[in-house]
Amino acid sequence: QKEVEQNSGPLSVPEGAIASLNCTYSDRGSQSFFWYRQYSGKSPELIMFIYSNGDKEDGRFTAQLNKASQYVSLLIRDSQPSDSATYLCAVNGDNYGQNFVFGPGTRLSVLP
Amino acid sequence: IAGITQAPTSQILAAGRRMTLRCTQDMRHNAMYWYRQDLGLGLRLIHYSNTAGTTGKGEVPDGYSVSRANTDDFPLTLASAVPSQTSVYFCASRQQRNTEAFFGQGTRLTVV
Repeated sequence: QKEVEQNSGPLSVPEGAIASLNCTYSDRGSQSFFWYRQYSGKSPELIMFIYSNGDKEDGRFTAQLNKASQYVSLLIRDSQPSDSATYLCAVNGDNYGQNFVFGPGTRLSVLP
Repeated sequence: IAGITQAPTSQILAAGRRMTLRCTQDMRHNAMYWYRQDLGLGLRLIHYSNTAGTTGKGEVPDGYSVSRANTDDFPLTLASAVPSQTSVYFCASRQQRNTEAFFGQGTRLTVV
């Protein structure tokens, strides 16, 4: 079992819809969780981070964390074509000291 | 402009040659990382350094070495390049555990 798993996609949603991106992780000791967006040919950039169970909202983005289920998600409301990118889930676990473990990413396509 | 800089941006390298990828940050971050990104496999950690003078192995360290002589620089060396090391390499840094990581623009390396 991989340490951080995501559906590879592609996930296609129409413009204006809600996109839901999911991530599961295996290390129960993980403490912090990050969502990065990566456009093709570019480097990853941080969208949101979350540390506590529950929801965290920032504009059109909401991160949801459930540590008991080892599950973190990212919701994108009112999806725009500019949201089309690969979304990477990163978990701060103990398996490599203080390091991130990244999921393989989910490719999102928002259709005009 | 504060940030993290990688060089070169891209490189074509003959198999068997030695190559050093450079990474410099001016944010005085303690931790630095090298990842490789391959299609379908996401970001995989090669080596990391939690502070100047220390380094550690990540998920895929074979064929690579690093050094951390000071806070700002974290070069990655391929002693004798092989075609399987063809990839996009990202350097990243962060201040401390549970904070976000910032990425360089990446180095696209092709070993032929």
